[in-house]
Amino acid sequence: DIVMTQSPDTLSVSPGESATLSCRASQNVRSLLAWYQQKPGQPPRLLIYGASTRATAIPARFSGHGSGTEFTLTISSLQSEDFALYYCQQYSTWPQFTFGQGTKLEIK
Amino acid sequence: QVQLLQSGAEVKRPGASVNLSCEASGDTFTTFYVHWMRQVPGQGLEWMGMINPLNGDTSFGQRLQGRVSMTRDSSTSTVTMELSSLRSDDTAIYYCARGYGFLDFWGRGTLVIVSS
Repeated sequence: DIVMTQSPDTLSVSPGESATLSCRASQNVRSLLAWYQQKPGQPPRLLIYGASTRATAIPARFSGHGSGTEFTLTISSLQSEDFALYYCQQYSTWPQFTFGQGTKLEIK
Repeated sequence: QVQLLQSGAEVKRPGASVNLSCEASGDTFTTFYVHWMRQVPGQGLEWMGMINPLNGDTSFGQRLQGRVSMTRDSSTSTVTMELSSLRSDDTAIYYCARGYGFLDFWGRGTLVIVSS
């Protein structure tokens, strides 16, 4: 199985600043990577797919980069509603998928 | 608007089985695979498996092989996931979601508590 490792576990950032979250795959997943945001009591919400394509209605301050084994999610000009949990997910080994363990983005 | 309506919370004894349903609306039922994930409160997401509503083909995560099954009913646009031989560490929120690889619509989740 491909192991997805996210870093850091927790990231503390002030509103208005930028945050960069990382996701590393144990094997090459090409660009078949998605990012999700999850708030307490809610299901995950798709943010990014194909490593860099924003999902419908996702603000432009969310951007994804990377391919192969190294990926980043950058959120610029952090808004209060952006503080949440973020997960990456690889879907290159279809039909077997794996998620990262998550990064908590908290207010500094 | 696509919606995935999940069944209500369940409390089960260890060793029992649980059946959770996920009813799709707002789109053609057979267009996308339906996946199941679970999340232990305060922990990350685990992909459990998926079903092709068109033909019923399934694929399951290695950890749950042999304990999980999925079926679909095209007449009601519903997918059902059964998890058997329940243990206390199966206590989690179970989500269904649709997609091929990335998952663009999710149900709100079903809490399953396994306790003696």
